[in-house]
Amino acid sequence: ETGVTQSPTHLIKTRGQQVTLRCSSQSGHNTVSWYQQALGQGPQFIFQYYREEENGRGNFPPRFSGLQFPNYSSELNVNALELDDSALYLCASSRQFSYEQYFGPGTRLTVT
Amino acid sequence: EDQVTQSPEALRLQEGESSSLNCSYTVSGLRGLFWYRQDPGKGPEFLFTLYSAGEEKEKERLKATLTKKESFLHITAPKPEDSATYLCAVHTNTGGFKTIFGAGTRLFVKA
Repeated sequence: ETGVTQSPTHLIKTRGQQVTLRCSSQSGHNTVSWYQQALGQGPQFIFQYYREEENGRGNFPPRFSGLQFPNYSSELNVNALELDDSALYLCASSRQFSYEQYFGPGTRLTVT
Repeated sequence: EDQVTQSPEALRLQEGESSSLNCSYTVSGLRGLFWYRQDPGKGPEFLFTLYSAGEEKEKERLKATLTKKESFLHITAPKPEDSATYLCAVHTNTGGFKTIFGAGTRLFVKA
């Protein structure tokens, strides 16, 4: 069984730029969630996608957007990057009707 | 307001010294409480799911319990390899799916 994978591992961007992060769900999982984790903090829920539609969102501005594809892979897009967007971005997948989420290794984003 | 609070923030134990981590929560429409382990620079690793008060789950040296207001993660005779950050999270489906994590407890176990 293939686990959750994310790319890239690390990324450095400049304030004002745009970034796209990618996630491949674990085999058999059709729901994906994205989280932002600042250093020393717990993950903050950004949004969840099920059947290619957003079905839950945390307190993040619209410049954080996402996509889920028919093969259940997903993208997180962040526009107009700010310094505070520097964090570890985590993707988690789960089976339909299950709340048990399995996380990928994360993408470390640094905004300078 | 929905929230999750974990205590203590950090815990230092000697190998073999049992202890408990606390997770208190206030949430409407609870759909489950989850415990994760996170090693530095890695994604959280799923440990347990608890759905109703009175439920208990065990795995090796770890045991998780749930009441209507809090959950405990009991660590029996810990080993140095148990050193990690332990995260508690609640899922709610009120007004759309949402997950709320606590800030975590950093556990250090010394040999």
